[in-house]
Amino acid sequence: SQQGEEDPQALSIQEGENATMNCSYKTSINNLQWYRQNSGRGLVHLILIRSNEREKHSGRLRVTLDTSKKSSSLLITASRAADTASYFCATDSNYQLIWGAGTKLIIKP
Amino acid sequence: DAMVIQNPRYQVTQFGKPVTLSCSQTLNHNVMYWYQQKSSQAPKLLFHYYDKDFNNEADTPDNFQSRRPNTSFCFLDIRSPGLGDAAMYLCATSRDVADTQYFGPGTRLTVL
Repeated sequence: SQQGEEDPQALSIQEGENATMNCSYKTSINNLQWYRQNSGRGLVHLILIRSNEREKHSGRLRVTLDTSKKSSSLLITASRAADTASYFCATDSNYQLIWGAGTKLIIKP
Repeated sequence: DAMVIQNPRYQVTQFGKPVTLSCSQTLNHNVMYWYQQKSSQAPKLLFHYYDKDFNNEADTPDNFQSRRPNTSFCFLDIRSPGLGDAAMYLCATSRDVADTQYFGPGTRLTVL
């Protein structure tokens, strides 16, 4: 079953712009993870944020978590063509990962 | 260096003909997962092993079986593939359940 809902479903921006994707979930969590999937490939882990953390950075990625609103956002700054991919959030609840439907990000040159 | 390896990368089978997909890992992780992913959808967990302890998702069809003979290897057996089983099959590992998962490149299954 899917607990995470992501929006937008698809996002198309110009190279160099920032991209923001959101994830909402339903039940309390231990952590929330973001993954990237390039077309036809496996998923790559980007960042994990724990329920007691509010913000986390990794390079051009910034993730926020608002447990009161049961939501998270992933910000990619200064986007590049190589960032074109699908991005999934996954929440850990009851020691099982529940996946969102994903956001398809397209970076236009 | 590849950490989670899946073979083959592409598999074509005929309707009803059994097929086995394989996954191996060099991470020595306790947990191994099999996911099914159809186009533009989230990965759907089929089952996972914690060490030798097998955990089947409630809605995984009986047509799908798995074996984990040792820590490094895990197999997905599809006993009688139907057209609806055509998908990408992803193997993943993690140190513990709900930890960061490390994925293989996937096996794309085509059913003719």
